Amino acid sequence: EIVLTQSPDFQSVTPKEKVTITCRASQSVHTALHWYQQKADQSPKLLIRHASQSISGVPSRFSGSGSGTDFSLTINNLEAEDAATYYCHQTSSFPLTFGGGTKLEIK
Amino acid sequence: EVQLVESGGGLVQPGGSLRLSCAASGFSVGANYMTWVRQAPGKGLEWVSIIYAGGATYYADSLKGRFTISRDNSNNTLYLQMNSLRGEDTAVYYCARVGTWEYYDMDVWGQGTTVTVSS
Repeated sequence: EIVLTQSPDFQSVTPKEKVTITCRASQSVHTALHWYQQKADQSPKLLIRHASQSISGVPSRFSGSGSGTDFSLTINNLEAEDAATYYCHQTSSFPLTFGGGTKLEIK
Repeated sequence: EVQLVESGGGLVQPGGSLRLSCAASGFSVGANYMTWVRQAPGKGLEWVSIIYAGGATYYADSLKGRFTISRDNSNNTLYLQMNSLRGEDTAVYYCARVGTWEYYDMDVWGQGTTVTVSS
């Protein structure tokens, strides 16, 4: 099973800041790595697919990068609505796995 | 509008069974890969199962033999049959559509249905 380790677990940031969340895989997932945003009491929402592909309707301040075992999600110019938990997700091999999540608090 | 609506959750005793449903609109369940993902209270996301358009199925190792994913193309509905339920199966269960077959990202999610396993 491929283990995804996210860091940090929690981060408190102020609006307009830039934040980077990292996701490290226990073995290469190539670019089969996706990012989701889950706001409180809501379903997850796809933010980035295939490591760096943007999703229609997702603000351009969200971007992803990486390949192999090291990936990152960057959020520029943070807004209050970005308060959520962010998950990385690998689909390189079964079982599909998710990272433990990074909770983002906007001060 | 593309939408998924889950139902069928509830309170069930340990050892019991439950069948979850996921009604799709705006696209065909049978022409897509479909998945189930669950989230225990206060925990992260856990992949449960996937069914391919061709009918092949895969499961999380810990669930094999207890859970069965299926679909009814005529009703455009995805199912998850859950047997021999345990306390650790308590979770919100989401169905999701796989957006691209090459990458298996999940681009449409339902609102979730809550399963509580307790005596």
